[in-house]
Order: sequence, then C-alpha cells, then structure tokens
Amino acid sequence: RKEVEQDPGPFNVPEGATVAFNCTYSNSASQSFFWYRQDCRKEPKLLMSVYSSGNEDGRFTAQLNRASQYISLLIRDSKLSDSATYLCAVNSGGYQKVTFGTGTKLQVIP
Amino acid sequence: DVKVTQSSRYLVKRTGEKVFLECVQDMDHENMFWYRQDPGLGLRLIYFSYDVKMKEKGDIPEGYSVSREKKERFSLILESASTNQTSMYLCASSFKWGNSPLHFGNGTRLTVT
Repeated sequence: RKEVEQDPGPFNVPEGATVAFNCTYSNSASQSFFWYRQDCRKEPKLLMSVYSSGNEDGRFTAQLNRASQYISLLIRDSKLSDSATYLCAVNSGGYQKVTFGTGTKLQVIP
Repeated sequence: DVKVTQSSRYLVKRTGEKVFLECVQDMDHENMFWYRQDPGLGLRLIYFSYDVKMKEKGDIPEGYSVSREKKERFSLILESASTNQTSMYLCASSFKWGNSPLHFGNGTRLTVT
C-alpha cells in the first residue's frame, strides 16, 4: 500500500460548483498534513496546512480524519483559476520526511 | 518571501556524465530536500538533509548522492547519468519543526540522452 494515495482524477467541474478531494495515508503516526497546489510546469506551492480541528481559508476547507486516516480538501464556488493539480503531503518522520500523493487534477469548466 | 533557487531550469546531459544540480535557499531553513517528479508517479523523495553535513536517504536514492557543506546549499549529484534519470528535479526547504511547510524551487528539467 502506498504511503499517501489520491484519486488522480481528472475532476471536471463547472464554474461555481463545489468539489472535494480525499487523500489517504498509511502511517498512523503521521504528524503534519498539507495541501499544495501545482500549476502546469510549475513548482508546488502551499495551499494550506491541515489542522486537527479542520481549517478554512476563504473558499477552501481542509479536514483531517485521524480515525480513518485521510485528509480532505473542499473547494466551494469553483473558479476557472482553481484549475490545477492538488497534492496532499504527509509528514511521518522525526526529521520531517514529507511524502506526497500523486496529485488530483482539477479542471474547472466555464 | 522565501526564495529557493535552483541553478538551471533546463539541462541536457549525456549518458555516463556526472551531473550536479545545485539548490540555494535564503531563509535559514534547517531542512532541505531533493525530489523528482514523473508523470503518474508524482513527487518522490530522493534525499533530504536536516543539518549541515547530515543526509538521509529518501525513497529512491539509488544512483544519486548529495552534499550539504553549507546550511543554505544542497547539491544533488548523479554519479553516472542514465536515461531513466530524465525527470523534473525539485529542491525544497523548510524549518525543522514538523508542521513547517516545504518551499520549492522552480525545478530543473534534466534530459539524459
């Protein structure tokens, strides 16, 4: 089983839609969780960290479910500019060995 | 703003050549990382370093080595480049505490012919 798994998509959604991605992780000792956004031919950039209580940043909401070992990202009112690949990342090691999922591709359609 | 700079955006090398990829960060981060990214495989960790002269193997260290002589600089070395090392290489850095996110350089696309 992979350490971090994501549905690769693509998710094709109309503008204004709500879309959710999940990411499962295998190491129950994982400490820190993140969502990154990667545009085509660009480097990943931090979208948001994921806190135990869940957190929100504008149209984006991140949740952590430790019992089922997954994190989620919810995007409300999708914009064309949200089209990108969304990577989840999990820190499982004492020296911050960060493992990434393969990413979920989102295409927002006019 | 955090800046992670990779020395080359595009690089073309021949099979068997020794290749150096350089990465410099300006935020006094303790941790530095080298990943490669391939379609369908995502980001895979090659090596990381949590301090000067310290290194840890990641998930795919074979065929690579690293050097960290100064805190701000982390080098990836391909001892004898092979065609299966053609990839996008991404350097990243972060503070040492666990919830510190990674900051990436803009990548080096290496082609080995």
